[in-house]
Amino acid sequence: NAGVMQNPRHLVRRRGQEARLRCSPMKGHSHVYWYRQLPEEGLKFMVYLQKENIIDESGMPKERFSAEFPKEGPSILRIQQVVRGDSAAYFCASSRLYTGELFFGEGSRLTVL
Amino acid sequence: AQTVTQSQPEMSVQEAETVTLSCTYDTSESDYYLFWYKQPPSRQMILVIRQEAYKQQNATENRFSVNFQKAAKSFSLKISDSQLGDAAMYFCAYRSASSGGSNYKLTFGKGTLLTVNP
Repeated sequence: NAGVMQNPRHLVRRRGQEARLRCSPMKGHSHVYWYRQLPEEGLKFMVYLQKENIIDESGMPKERFSAEFPKEGPSILRIQQVVRGDSAAYFCASSRLYTGELFFGEGSRLTVL
Repeated sequence: AQTVTQSQPEMSVQEAETVTLSCTYDTSESDYYLFWYKQPPSRQMILVIRQEAYKQQNATENRFSVNFQKAAKSFSLKISDSQLGDAAMYFCAYRSASSGGSNYKLTFGKGTLLTVNP
């Protein structure tokens, strides 16, 4: 009974490169959420997706950031032209219902040099 | 907008003793959920305990219990018989329960780092 799977666990990018973070929700979960954790901060909501739909992206920067959850395959958080301020841990969570309990993955730590 | 405040950046406790972590929140809603999450060095977010605002009874989960004071908007976590494995960052979180709106979002505090001394 696999939990929420995120990869890569660690990603190093140079400024200007692209970062792609993947999240496979728990089996039977069709709601995916991405949160960002900056150093010494709590997690902050970025985006909420259902299969093939972005429901709420109000917490995601308008530029350089995008997210998708295709019909097949994992959810992807994509950061283009990364800057040092993007260095953070990115957590994915999933739920069976949109008001259901969230189950978190182990996070992907992005370091921008 | 809701806010969650954890006023203790760090706390320490001796093994086998009891420690209380504080959390206050601000909301104009009457129906909501409150959570405590644990983040050990592995960084995974683990749900420790959950409280529904409409319930007067404080939630308990084995050695973990909460003191929920709705009028004071306070939600503290008590860890009894502390163990070395309890050492972690603890986050308090809020989620609205009102229908419609953003009742899927969790709002987190900044966390309290708990050290357990042997």
